[in-house]
Amino acid sequence: AQSVSQHNHHVILSEAASLELGCNYSYGGTVNLFWYVQYPGQHLQLLLKYFSGDPLVKGIKGFEAEFIKSKFSFNLRKPSVQWSDTAEYFCAVRGYQKVTFGIGTKLQVIP
Amino acid sequence: GAVVSQHPSRVICKSGTSVKIECRSLDFQATTMFWYRQFPKQSLMLMATSNEGSKATYEQGVEKDKFLINHASLTLSTLTVTSAHPEDSSFYICSAADRPRGGQRVTDTQYFGPGTRLTVL
Repeated sequence: AQSVSQHNHHVILSEAASLELGCNYSYGGTVNLFWYVQYPGQHLQLLLKYFSGDPLVKGIKGFEAEFIKSKFSFNLRKPSVQWSDTAEYFCAVRGYQKVTFGIGTKLQVIP
Repeated sequence: GAVVSQHPSRVICKSGTSVKIECRSLDFQATTMFWYRQFPKQSLMLMATSNEGSKATYEQGVEKDKFLINHASLTLSTLTVTSAHPEDSSFYICSAADRPRGGQRVTDTQYFGPGTRLTVL
């Protein structure tokens, strides 16, 4: 069975601080990996995704994530967060036919 | 583009009644739609996958007779919670994936609806 764990459930940062949100998955086969973001009062939106190729994936709004196969990780990063990045972030993994989501990390950016 | 709507956004019903939730893809054709359930402080839990014109595939532990899914068209899927009980109270979210293009897997990119808060009294 595939599973996803997100280590940080609630992160508070000041504006301009760097961000790294951890995501580890458990699955023995080929995976596709995703980060979704849910801004307050809005739908879940795709932030970035990894299918194959360059393990460093760049997404919207300056976010990037690195797939490290040996560590089963797909951590999300942003060098300098803004107040508008306040949201909940979900890591997801697609194994065979199914997408599994992590529990989510709430990011609060203080101006 | 790629907007998914859900209706209603919030519903309160009495125990024993049935509730229907609609999920619509507004500007694309969704060959596959997914229904999730989210409990407080937990991740989204996939309930079922529905493909247009065929029966839904339910995840293990999800009662198909209780959670009826119909995907009658390429833009509409419905979830009916039959004989609802208080333990069915939850946040239900749908997502839709558009038609695959040349080798793309249909589940690769999902577009999510805003969710429906169901409260069963």
